[in-house]
Order: sequence, then C-alpha cells, then structure tokens
Amino acid sequence: AQTVTQSQPEMSVQEAETVTLSCTYDTSENNYYLFWYKQPPSRQMILVIRQEAYKQQNATENRFSVNFQKAAKSFSLKISDSQLGDTAMYFCAFMRSTQGAQKLVFGQGTRLTINP
Amino acid sequence: DTGVSQNPRHKITKRGQNVTFRCDPISEHNRLYWYRQTLGQGPEFLTYFQNEAQLEKSRLLSDRFSAERPKGSFSTLEIQRTEQGDSAMYLCASSLVVLITSYGYTFGSGTRLTVV
Repeated sequence: AQTVTQSQPEMSVQEAETVTLSCTYDTSENNYYLFWYKQPPSRQMILVIRQEAYKQQNATENRFSVNFQKAAKSFSLKISDSQLGDTAMYFCAFMRSTQGAQKLVFGQGTRLTINP
Repeated sequence: DTGVSQNPRHKITKRGQNVTFRCDPISEHNRLYWYRQTLGQGPEFLTYFQNEAQLEKSRLLSDRFSAERPKGSFSTLEIQRTEQGDSAMYLCASSLVVLITSYGYTFGSGTRLTVV
C-alpha cells in the first residue's frame, strides 16, 4: 500500500518570504502522479500543482514549484513571494497511474500561516 | 458549470438517526469520489463511481454506509444509524479520466456531519 508522509504539522512565515513544504511517499509503483492540494479554512480543497512521475522536469505554476526527487521518493512544494491568501492546510497526495480507482492517498497535511 | 456542489453544508443529527448527503459533480467528468476527512487529518477514500457503476468501496465503508449514483449524474451518500464516530467532513470530488490519464480531482466544499 502507498503511504504519504508530511513531517511538518505547522509552518509560519512572513509575507513575501519563500517557504518549502516537505513530502515523502512510499510506493513500489513506477508510474504515478503526485499532487499538492490547498485547503483554506472552511473552504474547498483546490489543486495547486500536479506532477507525473515519468517526467523529470519539475512542475511549476506561477509562484508554486515542486522539487521532485523520484529516487528519494520526495516531493516538496516551494511557494515563492508568499501572500496572505496562501494561508491554508496543504496536502500532498499520491495517485497510481493505472486502470482502476485512481484514488488519492493523502498525507496528514501541513498548516501554513502567512503573517503580515 | 459552477464546479462540484454538495448539500447540505452542515448537518447535526442525533445518534441513531439516518442522514443523506448529495453531490452534484461537474457534468463533463466521468468519475465521482467520496472521501471522509476527520479533524486534522487528510481525506480518506470511501468509494467511487465510473458513470453509474460503483466500482470500489473502502473497508472504511461499513454496512451502515451506502452510496448511489443513479443515471450517472448526482450521487447520494447515506449513513444509517449514525454513531459519534461518523462525525467528519464528507467530501465529494469528480474527475475526468481518459484511458489511464487523470487530470486531477475537483472537490466540493464538503458536508460537515456532527453526531450528538
């Protein structure tokens, strides 16, 4: 079974700083997807960034980028020029790239607070 | 299309009562998922539908839980004889899967269930 571990329960940075959230996972699969989801307080979970395991290039979406280390099974999220609106729970998630459920396996989450 | 819609947003019920939640997915998406999220944890997979067929159920889904998706449109999740341990956020998500390529989920805002 796949597992996802986020070792930082909480993080706090000042506005405009750069912050990196850690995620490690365990799988015997070779083809899979990795995701970062953001869940603001009392609001729905939204997709931040998606990475396909067969791609060596790290995914980037505006201020959000990942450092994907397949051999180390590490998938960290870097938020540059952090904004107050980035305050949220962040979940790392794994999905097998096969036929079947393609269900997401989530980590425990990191609560990120951006301070003014 | 305004995204994935879940109703009600909040539900308080007495132990032993039955409750039903509804999810309206994005119309172009062919898959619908139910997840459960307890406080401070990442969501956990409950079940999913491919069109109207329920293809997988988690062991978390006891006999008191039933999900349906008539005609492959909206879905309902019913919990019979609720217990305090059922208190959680119930998340619905839909996705478009073409062959084995997943484009990620779109989540609804969830239904928060409190069993008293």
